[in-house]
Amino acid sequence: AQSVTQLDSHVSVSEGTPVLLRCNYSSSYSPSLFWYVQHPNKGLQLLLKYTSAATLVKGINGFEAEFKKSETSFHLTKPSAHMSDAAEYFCVVRPTMIYNQGGKLIFGQGTELSVKP
Amino acid sequence: EAGVTQFPSHSVIEKGQTVTLRCDPISGHDNLYWYRRVMGKEIKFLLHFVKESKQDESGMPNNRFLAERTGGTYSTLKVQPAELEDSGVYFCASSQVQRGISYNEQFFGPGTRLTVL
Repeated sequence: AQSVTQLDSHVSVSEGTPVLLRCNYSSSYSPSLFWYVQHPNKGLQLLLKYTSAATLVKGINGFEAEFKKSETSFHLTKPSAHMSDAAEYFCVVRPTMIYNQGGKLIFGQGTELSVKP
Repeated sequence: EAGVTQFPSHSVIEKGQTVTLRCDPISGHDNLYWYRRVMGKEIKFLLHFVKESKQDESGMPNNRFLAERTGGTYSTLKVQPAELEDSGVYFCASSQVQRGISYNEQFFGPGTRLTVL
């Protein structure tokens, strides 16, 4: 079975400092991995996705993530946090075509990011 | 282009009552998904429609939940009778089907917050 674990339920950073949100996945095959963000009272928005192309994936708003197969990790980073980055972030895996599970997503527990002025 | 919309945004009902949630996907999206986040837990898949057909309903918790998508446009999720443990946020998502494959980005609605007292 495929699963994803977000290692921190809450991360707090100061504005202008780097952001690191950690995610580990479990998969028997090369997975498709995503990061979604949810701002208060808004829907989930796709930040970036990895689908077996380049291992370093660039997303919106300056975020990027690196797929590391040897470490089964897909950590999300940003060089400099902005106040508007405060939100909840979800690491997500999509079961592969081999399982033919129709594209449903499997979510991590979420990481709440706080940004201090 | 309008995004995925959900109605109502909040619903407060008493145990034993019936509630119906509605989701309007992005126009032209044949895939429609329902997910749920119970307090303190991760977002979990409930079911997947392709047009009006249920592709995967493996995540539906029990027979008190009934999802429909008549005509392949909007979808409803009815909970009858509601129990305390049904409280949570219900998300809807939609995506396109390209070349018969349902593996494209899922666009999420803002969710319906259901509280069962």
